[in-house]
Amino acid sequence: NAGVMQNPRHLVRRRGQEARLRCSPMKGHSHVYWYRQLPEEGLKFMVYLQKENIIDESGMPKERFSAEFPKEGPSILRIQQVVRGDSAAYFCASSPHPTGEGEQYFGPGTRLTVT
Amino acid sequence: GENVEQHPSTLSVQEGDSAVIKCTYSDSASNYFPWYKQELGKRPQLIIDIRSNVGEKKDQRIAVTLNKTAKHFSLHITETQPEDSAVYFCAASIPGNQFYFGTGTSLTVIP
Repeated sequence: NAGVMQNPRHLVRRRGQEARLRCSPMKGHSHVYWYRQLPEEGLKFMVYLQKENIIDESGMPKERFSAEFPKEGPSILRIQQVVRGDSAAYFCASSPHPTGEGEQYFGPGTRLTVT
Repeated sequence: GENVEQHPSTLSVQEGDSAVIKCTYSDSASNYFPWYKQELGKRPQLIIDIRSNVGEKKDQRIAVTLNKTAKHFSLHITETQPEDSAVYFCAASIPGNQFYFGTGTSLTVIP
């Protein structure tokens, strides 16, 4: 069973462009979480999704950010019109359980740099 | 919502000594408390977890204790080794909700 996969691992975008980050959860995992991590800082929750549904998006900025987890295919975190402040590492995690019933497994992260 | 606080933010210990990291949470509905270790440039990885119906759990040199009444839980690492140097995050989760992470503790084990 392959671990959580994220791609790309590194992404460079100019200000104003769009960034698309992909996360393929582990096989059998229907719960996906996205986090943002700035250098030498903690993990900031962004959004929690279950197949085709957004369960909790309280950590996601209201503008420019969106996330989806379609029935088929990876989960996508989309950032429109990127700004320098969006530069960070974005981790996704997946779990076979609803929150509170077991661990979540993290992907290797996507490091976004906005120039 | 839940609020998780973690202390200290940095910790240096001599090799062979013990290290203790403490976290507090605010919502009594939290029922699952994992600890993650993140090495520089790597992904967070679970090292130990505890559920609210258990007071203590141990796995070799690592142990976690939970005090539900006081709403705090702690990570204990004994006989520390240089490879234990990393950032450690605690978390608390409420069923059906998100995971709430602490701000992290950067542990340095001095050889």
